Amino acid sequence: GESVGLHLPTLSVQEGDNSIINCAYSNSASDYFIWYKQESGKGPQFIIDIRSNMDKRQGQRVTVLLNKTVKHLSLQIAATQPGDSAVYFCAENRGYSTLTFGKGTMLLVSP
Amino acid sequence: DARVTQTPRHKVTEMGQEVTMRCQPILGHNTVFWYRQTMMQGLELLAYFRNRAPLDDSGMPKDRFSAEMPDATLATLKIQPSEPRDSAVYFCASASGSGANVLTFGAGSRLTVL
Repeated sequence: GESVGLHLPTLSVQEGDNSIINCAYSNSASDYFIWYKQESGKGPQFIIDIRSNMDKRQGQRVTVLLNKTVKHLSLQIAATQPGDSAVYFCAENRGYSTLTFGKGTMLLVSP
Repeated sequence: DARVTQTPRHKVTEMGQEVTMRCQPILGHNTVFWYRQTMMQGLELLAYFRNRAPLDDSGMPKDRFSAEMPDATLATLKIQPSEPRDSAVYFCASASGSGANVLTFGAGSRLTVL
């Protein structure tokens, strides 16, 4: 399985490419799935969420896809920019008003 | 620009000392969370409050950790006595009651226990 630190999954892309960050979840009962971005030295920042009865939601330059059949969530970032370099976390809201975060994926964008 | 304010940003202390971390949530947010982030465990929920009442602190070691909200503008997380395994970044986050998916995090308090 995934782990953080030295073993944090890393995605390296070129500026202008599209990025796809993936997340597997285990709890079919989650009501919402959420993506957060954490830049170095800062706290996580909300990007976008999707309700469990949807399969796609679009924001500004980001799209989240939810495949409940295989319990898979993805975040697509269009025209990736150096400012998108960060660790991205998926999270689940299991209906108790608290979020459970995944381990994270590091996105590195080179000019 | 509304933000969650945490103090101190950095704290180095020796094993056995008491550590207190403070958080000022966003004005009007009625839910406050404490998370801990480590390399190995990622982001773990320690405790959270709604309307200043503690709702869940099951993620917190009870014998040494305590969390309180003396008033709506201040949340505290105390460790007594601190141990090296408590070294981590501690985040406070706040949310409005209707937006439980949207947490606003502070910049964190990095704690090092020697």
